[in-house]
Amino acid sequence: QSVLTQPPSVSGAPGQRVTISCTGSSSNIGAGYDVHWYQQLPGTAPKLLIYGNSNRPSGVPDRFSGSKSGTSASLAITGLQAEDEADYYCQSYDSSLRGVFGGGTKLTVL
Amino acid sequence: EVQLVQSGAEVKKPGESLKISCKGSGYSFTSYWIGWVRQMPGKGLEWMGIIYPGDSDTRYSPSFQGQVTISADKSISTAYLQWSSLKASDTAMYYCARHGDGDVFDYWGQGTLVTVSS
Repeated sequence: QSVLTQPPSVSGAPGQRVTISCTGSSSNIGAGYDVHWYQQLPGTAPKLLIYGNSNRPSGVPDRFSGSKSGTSASLAITGLQAEDEADYYCQSYDSSLRGVFGGGTKLTVL
Repeated sequence: EVQLVQSGAEVKKPGESLKISCKGSGYSFTSYWIGWVRQMPGKGLEWMGIIYPGDSDTRYSPSFQGQVTISADKSISTAYLQWSSLKASDTAMYYCARHGDGDVFDYWGQGTLVTVSS
């Protein structure tokens, strides 16, 4: 069982907006640690998608956005495209200064 | 260009030892932590631990403390993940990643598949 909780799956039609939640606790996200998001396309290594709660690395489309509030964070994807079909993971730190990941969410584009 | 290149796939028997590698290039290897992440077949990502090649300071997740050893040779810009006695449950893909500013894994290696089977 992962320290950060994500829904196992979400889905949406092309062009729609989907959100993926990441719920932690007062010892990780709620303690003020940043949340990061990674995208893992099938058969490939994870790739950084959002860092520091809401920042996009160079090259990541602005269709992807992140937010954080209290003990939770969210990833939003607007204008859904077929190429967005992937697994998405949130990651933060805990009070013992060790990293923690969410269990991952599989996004299906209908 | 930042690159992390990992060693190739391994097939081992239970009880054998193994050391896999991750060579960094395109940045100052001694100035950034390097981490290891496990992904068991069909499962999610697990944070194993990180090392600072500058002074070999190492931090392990409690789940992996005592189970693996993380090390680095800064003279050749390479980090390692090592097992002294493999188990079938160590079968997984292992990724190394640079631990950039803000405690984020900003660059990833391509992964090393470790298969442990009798």
